[in-house]
Amino acid sequence: SQQGEEDPQALSIQEGENATMNCSYKTSINNLQWYRQNSGRGLVHLILIRSNEREKHSGRLRVTLDTSKKSSSLLITASRAADTASYFCATDGAGANNLFFGTGTRLTVIP
Amino acid sequence: EAGVVQSPRYKIIEKKQPVAFWCNPISGHNTLYWYLQNLGQGPELLIRYENEEAVDDSQLPKDRFSAERLKGVDSTLKIQPAELGDSAVYLCASSSRLGSIQYFGAGTRLSVL
Repeated sequence: SQQGEEDPQALSIQEGENATMNCSYKTSINNLQWYRQNSGRGLVHLILIRSNEREKHSGRLRVTLDTSKKSSSLLITASRAADTASYFCATDGAGANNLFFGTGTRLTVIP
Repeated sequence: EAGVVQSPRYKIIEKKQPVAFWCNPISGHNTLYWYLQNLGQGPELLIRYENEEAVDDSQLPKDRFSAERLKGVDSTLKIQPAELGDSAVYLCASSSRLGSIQYFGAGTRLSVL
């Protein structure tokens, strides 16, 4: 079974708006990663946040992590049509050597 | 730097036929992963290699699936015989070390008829 669950499953916004996706997971972790997948393509790494970090930024991306609630959020600011993709969170699970991916949020940015 | 290369991109076969997927990881990456991705789902690990050793194959259906990574570089994933339920995207990924960022290939989309 997959470790993470993303919410919402699908999100549709206008270009220029912000998009927020949430991820909940079940066990303690060493780090949490977010990946993007364009239709018909492989996954592309976006950002990694360690369990002792609370917030991390990369360009238009902002990730937060709340280990007490076992949840993370990904914020994409000033969205563009090119941001249309599926977004997955992935956790390693403390003591585990593999990544466990969530079910993903499908983001559609309307031009 | 070349990314992870997978071939073929698409494969259509009839059930009970064999099929093989090939993956060339990023040069120097010791860890290689094969994932299965069903439509609308996230990737699920099938097998992980550290160099040429399969260190985690607990999720690989060993009655019909096999994999190898000769010389610790390229890898092949095989299904024999294929079943209708095997229709999915098979993704290969590599990383420089365990626990670091994974780099994915474009995947092979398998359709079993």
